[in-house]
This record gives sequence, C-alpha cells and structure tokens, in this order.
Amino acid sequence: SQTIHQWPATLVQPVGSPLSLECTVEGTSNPNLYWYRQAAGRGLQLLFYSVGIGQISSEVPQNLSASRPQDRQFILSSKKLLLSDSGFYLCAWNLLAGVYNEQFFGPGTRLTVL
Amino acid sequence: AQKITQTQPGMFVQEKEAVTLDCTYDTSDQSYGLFWYKQPSSGEMIFLIYQGSYDEQNATEGRYSLNFQKARKSANLVISASQLGDSAMYFCALITGAGSYQLTFGKGTKLSVIP
Repeated sequence: SQTIHQWPATLVQPVGSPLSLECTVEGTSNPNLYWYRQAAGRGLQLLFYSVGIGQISSEVPQNLSASRPQDRQFILSSKKLLLSDSGFYLCAWNLLAGVYNEQFFGPGTRLTVL
Repeated sequence: AQKITQTQPGMFVQEKEAVTLDCTYDTSDQSYGLFWYKQPSSGEMIFLIYQGSYDEQNATEGRYSLNFQKARKSANLVISASQLGDSAMYFCALITGAGSYQLTFGKGTKLSVIP
C-alpha cells in the first residue's frame, strides 16, 4: 500500500531564515506530487505541483520554491522566510490527474515564523 | 475560474442525528469532479466521497452521501447517524477538466457532534 510522509511535523523559524520541508511517497512510482498551504481558519491553496522529476509548476508566485530531485521526493524551500509564510503545509499525491482522481494527503507540517 | 463556497463556518449536531453540510460551486467547465475531505484536529486531510459531473446517481460511502444538484451547482454532504468522531473540519473541493491538477477548496465547515 502507498504511504506519504512529511517532515518535520512542526517547525518554528525566525523571519529571514531558510526553509526546507520534505515529502516522500512510498509504494508507488511516478506519482503526481502537490504542495498546499493552509492558513489558519482557511481552506487549502495549491502552491506547486510536479508530474515528474525536475518538473515543477507554480500556481501562486511567492517567496517559496519547490524541487523534485527524485521520483518520490518533493521538497518545499525558501531562502528567507516571511511572517506570512506561517501555516500548515500539506503534501499530496495521485497517480492520474483529472476529474476522477482524488489526491491523497500527508500528515502535514505546521510552520510558525516568528 | 472555479470557486467553492461553504457558507456554514460552524455546525452542531446531536449524536446519532443526521447533518447536512452545504457546498456550492462555480465553474464553466462541463467536466468536473467534487470531493469532500475531513480534517480532524491532527491536521491530515481524509478523503470521504467523490461525485463526478456526469454521474447520474448521488454518491454514497457508508454513512456519507452527497446530495448533488447539478442545475443549482450544489454538492451537499450528508452524514447520517453522527458519531463523536465526526467532529472535525469538512472541506468541499472542485477539480475541473481544464485545470486537472488543481483542487480548489472551500473555506470549510467545522462540525461539532454533541453527546
């Protein structure tokens, strides 16, 4: 069966510090991978998605970047965090994009920028 | 552009009663899918139920059913026989054929089940 992992689970970082969040999927090959952010009391906003190694699509221009160095690894990064980067970051995957295919979410990383 | 509206920030329901969570959507795409996810306090998003725009029958999954009214562009979630473990945030989400990688989420409804 497939599982998705995210780490760290929680993170407190000062403004201006770098960020690296990691997401890995097990039990499948060539998944589509997604990064979402959820601000407090809000729905999820898609940040990036990837259909393959090295292929990243950005949905919202911002202070963050994403990379996919391996088939089942997706990394969210920032060179300098802003206060507005605080939130709950969720990674998701599916095998096929499209209207019939749900996305499966990881446990999330709660980021607080002080 | 697609949009999801959940007008109920919070709902209360008595244990063992049924509850309906509202969701309306807006898209010009003829092909789309609607999803409901549950988010307990732990934060993970749990997939509950799916309805496709071309599905003629309303979707059902155990105690969850989706009241799909295409002409009104609504996709309400019905939870029957509520349990204490149903207390959580519930999100409606839309994906369209034109934007097949992007799930658009509503702001969610916080459901509290009262013993």
